[in-house]
Amino acid sequence: DTAVSQTPKYLVTQMGNDKSIKCEQNLGHDTMYWYKQDSKKFLKIMFSYNNKELIINETVPNRFSPKSPDKAHLNLHINSLELGDSAVYFCASSQDNRGSEQYFGPGTRLTVT
Amino acid sequence: AQSVTQLDSQVPVFEEAPVELRCNYSSSVSVYLFWYVQYPNQGLQLLLKYLSGSTLVKGINGFEAEFNKSQTSFHLRKPSVHISDTAEYFCAVTFMNRDDKIIFGKGTRLHILP
Repeated sequence: DTAVSQTPKYLVTQMGNDKSIKCEQNLGHDTMYWYKQDSKKFLKIMFSYNNKELIINETVPNRFSPKSPDKAHLNLHINSLELGDSAVYFCASSQDNRGSEQYFGPGTRLTVT
Repeated sequence: AQSVTQLDSQVPVFEEAPVELRCNYSSSVSVYLFWYVQYPNQGLQLLLKYLSGSTLVKGINGFEAEFNKSQTSFHLRKPSVHISDTAEYFCAVTFMNRDDKIIFGKGTRLHILP
C-alpha cells in the first residue's frame, strides 16, 4: 500500500524526445513536490503545488512543465530532453506547505542518451 | 541569505562506534529542522524533526539531534552505528517566512567500516 508512488521507475530516452513522469499520493496530503537529484546526490526542489495551485517554481528551464489534475496527482512533463536532464527525479508530498514533513516516492531514474 | 550547510560530504566510522553528522544553517527567521535518510536506490525517509519544544529530538533507528539556536546547528548523533546505517543523510530546513521554503543540505554519506 504505497504512500507516494511514481511511474516509471526507470526511463531511458534519446535527446530531443518528450517524456512524462507520473506521481500519485494516497495520504490525503494537500502539497506535492518535484525534486531533482543529480549524480552527486545534491537534491534540489523544482516545483511545489498546494491544493493543485503552483506555489514554488524554482529556476527550472521551461521545458519542464508540472501538471496537477487533482490533489493526489502531480505529473512532470519534459520537452526536448537534454543530456543534462539525466538525474533521479523524486516526487514528495506533505500535509501542508507550512513546514510539515515530506514523504518521498521511490524516484524515477531518467537517462538521456 | 538562507542556506543549509553539511560540511562533511563523507564520514567513515567503525561499526559500533559513535557518530555525529553536522548541519548548520543561516537564517534570520524561525525554522523547522529535519534529518532525512536515503538508503541506496531508495527515496528519502524522515529520521527526525524539530518544530518546537525540547531541543533534543529523538528519531527512528536510535538517532537523535539537538537544536542549538545560538550556533544555528542541528547535528545528528548516534551512540553506536550498525552496518545497516550506511546511507546518505540529508539535513533540511524550512524557513518560516513568506513562502516557507525548504532547503536541503548537500548530504553526508555515512560509510560504516567493519
